[in-house]
Amino acid sequence: QSVLTQPPSVSAAPGQKVTISCSGSSSNIGSNYVSWYQQLPVAAPKLLIYERNKRPSGIPDRFSGSKSGTSATLDIAGLQTGDEADYYCGTWDSSLNEVVFGGGTKLTVL
Amino acid sequence: QVLLQESGPGLVKPSETLSLTCTASGGSILSYKWSWIRQSAGKGLEWIGRTDTTGNTKYNPSLKTRVTMSVDKSRNRISLTLKSVTDADSAVYYCARSTILGVLTWFDPWGQGTLVTVSS
Repeated sequence: QSVLTQPPSVSAAPGQKVTISCSGSSSNIGSNYVSWYQQLPVAAPKLLIYERNKRPSGIPDRFSGSKSGTSATLDIAGLQTGDEADYYCGTWDSSLNEVVFGGGTKLTVL
Repeated sequence: QVLLQESGPGLVKPSETLSLTCTASGGSILSYKWSWIRQSAGKGLEWIGRTDTTGNTKYNPSLKTRVTMSVDKSRNRISLTLKSVTDADSAVYYCARSTILGVLTWFDPWGQGTLVTVSS
């Protein structure tokens, strides 16, 4: 069981918007920024969102992140079939003294 | 953009030591922190630890007694050794450039990963 809790799966139709949640505690999300990663099938994770809501070069603005208290969310707008992937959240945990990740959410674009 | 390539034996016997190397190309490893992260089959991500090019390291407390990370600046590469491996250490191992500073944590870029199986 992961320190950060994500729904195992979400789904939506092409063109729609989906939200992936990441729930933690005061020692991780509550006091640190969350980063988000996309892992396409048979590929390495790729950074999508970091710091407050920054995107690396090449990541479209359809991807956005936010945080409220001890939870974070990743929004993906204008869904495309190419967005089908596993999505992970991650952050530092000040109590455990380590980086922690969510268990991952599988996005299906119907 | 720096490219990372992990390498090492794909098969390690139980109780032996796993040794992996991450070679960076297209950029220097100097002045950055580097992490190893692993992913067991069908499971999530686990941070193993990080090192910088001054030799400063920080490890996952659950692996701390078995892990060593180091850098070879002349060869632009980062190494991982994991002692006394068991089946639970079978995973895809990734190296990634990491920002772990105060409230900030992110990993970019990642290597393609290398699969390690622990089996006799």
